[in-house]
Amino acid sequence: DVVLTQSPLSLPVTLGQPASISCRSSQSLVNSDGNTDLAWFQQRPGQSPRRLIYAISNRDSGVPDRFSGSGSATDFTLKISRVEAEDVGVYYCMQFTHWPHTFGQGTKVEIK
Amino acid sequence: EVQLVESGGDLVQPGGSLTLSCAASGFTFANSWMSWLRQAPGKGLEWVANIKPDGSGTYYVDSVKGRFTISRDNGKNSLSLQMNSLRVEDTAVYYCVRSGREWGQGTLVTVSS
Repeated sequence: DVVLTQSPLSLPVTLGQPASISCRSSQSLVNSDGNTDLAWFQQRPGQSPRRLIYAISNRDSGVPDRFSGSGSATDFTLKISRVEAEDVGVYYCMQFTHWPHTFGQGTKVEIK
Repeated sequence: EVQLVESGGDLVQPGGSLTLSCAASGFTFANSWMSWLRQAPGKGLEWVANIKPDGSGTYYVDSVKGRFTISRDNGKNSLSLQMNSLRVEDTAVYYCVRSGREWGQGTLVTVSS
C-alpha cells in the first residue's frame, strides 16, 4: 500500500500567522493519464471531513483562498497563508492514484 | 445540494452482522463512484470500499475483503454496506462518500461483547 507521511503531526499556530503541512508519498502519485490524484481534507472537531484541495492544487468551491496546495509526484504541501480560528482541526492528505486509497496520519492544527 | 444520509449503525457482538445504508440526493447518483470510509474512535481515516457508477466493479481494502459487501441501487439512489463476521477492530464511524469529495455525517458501528 502507498504510505503517506505527514509532518508535523501537531502544529500550534498564532492567529494570523502562516502554517504549512508536508505530505510525502512512498510512491509516485502520477496516474496513467499523467494526472496526480492527491487531495487535502479538513476535519473540524465533531464534524465529517471536508475536501479542501484536489489534484494537488485545485481549491474546492467555497474554500477560502488562504488555503493553497502545491507539490508533485511524491512531495506535497498544504499552506494556510493566515490562520483563522475556524481553521482549527485535523488535516489529512489522501491519494487515490493507487488502490487502496490511503490517507496520511493527520496533522492537528491548534491555536497557540 | 448534495446530501448523504447514513443509517444502520449499532452495537453488535463480535462475529455478528450489520447492514449500513446511505440515502443520496442532490446529484446524479447513477453517474457517481460511491465509497464507504471509516474512522475508528480518536483515529485517522481509512478507505473501506468503492463501487463503480453502474455497480459493475467493487474494490475492498484487504482487512474487510471477504467479509464486507458494497452494493448500490441506482433506481433508489441508495448505497449499502453488508458487514459480516464483524471484529472489535471494525468499530468506527462509517461514512458514505461521493467521488471522494462529499461526505455524509457518519453512522457509528460498535463491535463489542
